[in-house]
Amino acid sequence: DTGVSQDPRHKITKRGQNVTFRCDPISEHNRLYWYRQTLGQGPEFLTYFQNEAQLEKSRLLSDRFSAERPKGSFSTLEIQRTEQGDSAMYLCASSYSGTGLNEQFFGPGTRLTVL
Amino acid sequence: GQQVMQIPQYQHVQEGEDFTTYCNSSTTLSNIQWYKQRPGGHPVFLIQLVKSGEVKKQKRLTFQFGEAKKNSSLHITATQTTDVGTYFCAGSTTDSWGKLQFGAGTQVVVTP
Repeated sequence: DTGVSQDPRHKITKRGQNVTFRCDPISEHNRLYWYRQTLGQGPEFLTYFQNEAQLEKSRLLSDRFSAERPKGSFSTLEIQRTEQGDSAMYLCASSYSGTGLNEQFFGPGTRLTVL
Repeated sequence: GQQVMQIPQYQHVQEGEDFTTYCNSSTTLSNIQWYKQRPGGHPVFLIQLVKSGEVKKQKRLTFQFGEAKKNSSLHITATQTTDVGTYFCAGSTTDSWGKLQFGAGTQVVVTP
């Protein structure tokens, strides 16, 4: 499968715990994006990378959230000291900047439940 | 900050009928994209519009980008059961090309 993959697909954690999600983009894609989606809403932008550089981060994003893409390939999103309000679907997407088209390919998401 | 709004939130359509969903941005956009998300699935790219007044067609789907690049619409003709899902518009601005701002979506239910 050459699509965007995310791991784990589901995560249940207790409030206050740290969690880390992984995203593997389509191999030739140099851009990678993280979004959060709650029921009945559209994806909410969190951050994006071009290669290994984090180019933009949402101002709404708490300092408890951090993302990395150390080698410009896979990315991790860490949430520290989780809160119940962090429960959501976390989506990763990737795109290739060389086409001039910003078509983003989404992964299946990681569903986080904070108890 | 930039906001993208979509109406209607829900659309119930009889199979074979046409409908239109609308997208409005509080700021001028450099481009707008449309995505479709099936129940339980992830968003799938449909199209990108870049030029003022641009119109693009994909079979029964017609997409428009407003002259002021602040609004867009998606018109579906002869709705089929395969059109079920939530349609999102998403826009970005010139100074923030990579940051897509999604609307809340239009959830489409098709009655046979």
